[in-house]
Amino acid sequence: EAQVTQNPRYLITVTGKKLTVTCSQNMNHEYMSWYRQDPGLGLRQIYYSMNVEVTDKGDVPEGYKVSRKEKRNFPLILESPSPNQTSLYFCASSLIRGSSSYNEQFFGPGTRLTVL
Amino acid sequence: AQTVTQSQPEMSVQEAETVTLSCTYDTSESDYYLFWYKQPPSRQMILVIRQEAYKQQNATENRFSVNFQKAAKSFSLKISDSQLGDAAMYFCAYRNYYGGATNKLIFGTGTLLAVQP
Repeated sequence: EAQVTQNPRYLITVTGKKLTVTCSQNMNHEYMSWYRQDPGLGLRQIYYSMNVEVTDKGDVPEGYKVSRKEKRNFPLILESPSPNQTSLYFCASSLIRGSSSYNEQFFGPGTRLTVL
Repeated sequence: AQTVTQSQPEMSVQEAETVTLSCTYDTSESDYYLFWYKQPPSRQMILVIRQEAYKQQNATENRFSVNFQKAAKSFSLKISDSQLGDAAMYFCAYRNYYGGATNKLIFGTGTLLAVQP
């Protein structure tokens, strides 16, 4: 089954304790992205990647890191989490078939993160 | 920068009735995509419908249809014959036609739809 998986689905942690949220897709997609969802703000892009070893900042990258060492994986790293990073996080992936092509984004199931 | 606005934080509809969710957007681009996503309590993001700005015909997917008014920059979603399973958060989203590297979706703040039996 074609899918995007995220782990963990729920995480409660404390301020300053490094954590990683994993994201994996089995569709051989070049493009992967992280969004955060907050009440009253919708979803906002954190980081994206066009392919292995190619990453760039989205709209809200502060406090986050990413890496893309393998095509299927795109982990989100919070080196020193703070309470304002409490949010619902989504990973998404898609093909890149040309700049004007419609490349549907497939979303993971979401990770609910609470930083105390 | 492009923006998407959903002015209805919450709406309610009776089962079997019709409801329309509103969305407006701002862009200086002439070509772009617009989307409606459904987020049920499971939190999964589900694509409901897509509209290409260069197409004048409004998109339709079964009970879901849109009213796309390009000049007014308006993109409303109509749900006909509402069902209990339609209860969810609905997000309107925008993407530049030439998505290229970013392929970034710009989301509105969402409308929480309740369906009354």
